[in-house]
Amino acid sequence: QKEVEQNSGPLSVPEGAIASLNCTYSDRGSQSFFWYRQYSGKSPELIMFIYSNGDKEDGRFTAQLNKASQYVSLLIRDSQPSDSATYLCAVNMGSDSWGKLQFGAGTQVVVTP
Amino acid sequence: DAGVTQSPTHLIKTRGQQVTLRCSPKSGHDTVSWYQQALGQGPQFIFQYYEEEERQRGNFPDRFSGHQFPNYSSELNVNALLLGDSALYLCASSLGRGGTDTQYFGPGTRLTVL
Repeated sequence: QKEVEQNSGPLSVPEGAIASLNCTYSDRGSQSFFWYRQYSGKSPELIMFIYSNGDKEDGRFTAQLNKASQYVSLLIRDSQPSDSATYLCAVNMGSDSWGKLQFGAGTQVVVTP
Repeated sequence: DAGVTQSPTHLIKTRGQQVTLRCSPKSGHDTVSWYQQALGQGPQFIFQYYEEEERQRGNFPDRFSGHQFPNYSSELNVNALLLGDSALYLCASSLGRGGTDTQYFGPGTRLTVL
């Protein structure tokens, strides 16, 4: 059983639209959640982190966390072609695994002009 | 503000050889984590170093070992290379003492095993 799951995509989004990415995780003790963006051939770049239930906004990005349902999502508003990348969800699974991030396989997003 | 740096950028080795990868953390960070990312997959945690000791380890064989130096930089060593070790090796740094676990990645080292 995969511990962090994401739809692999590709998710095709028209320019200017909202991209919605979802991530589910298996460990209820998970404490912190991260979204990274990875362009082809490059390393992951941190977009946002979220620790508490609810929404967290940063510019065009909004992270949503629901610990009861064990999912975290990322919304990208006003999508731009430069947002075309793979988005990785990462979860820190509990205090005894502090610092050990578990990643999903990533969702590929393609923003079409 | 210097970010995470890694060397070398690319490396080609043959099966059975040994390799050493290097990482310098972001300025002000004291914790280094290493990840392996195979093509089309998410990064897999190898281990984490803090205060020159291995603090966490993922499901990797003993062929994978590491070290952290007093200046917080780190090395990843892989012995007896296998074809399956071909991957992008990522180093991430964070602040361990009193900090969050937010990790920032370096540019990676692309290892090809022939």
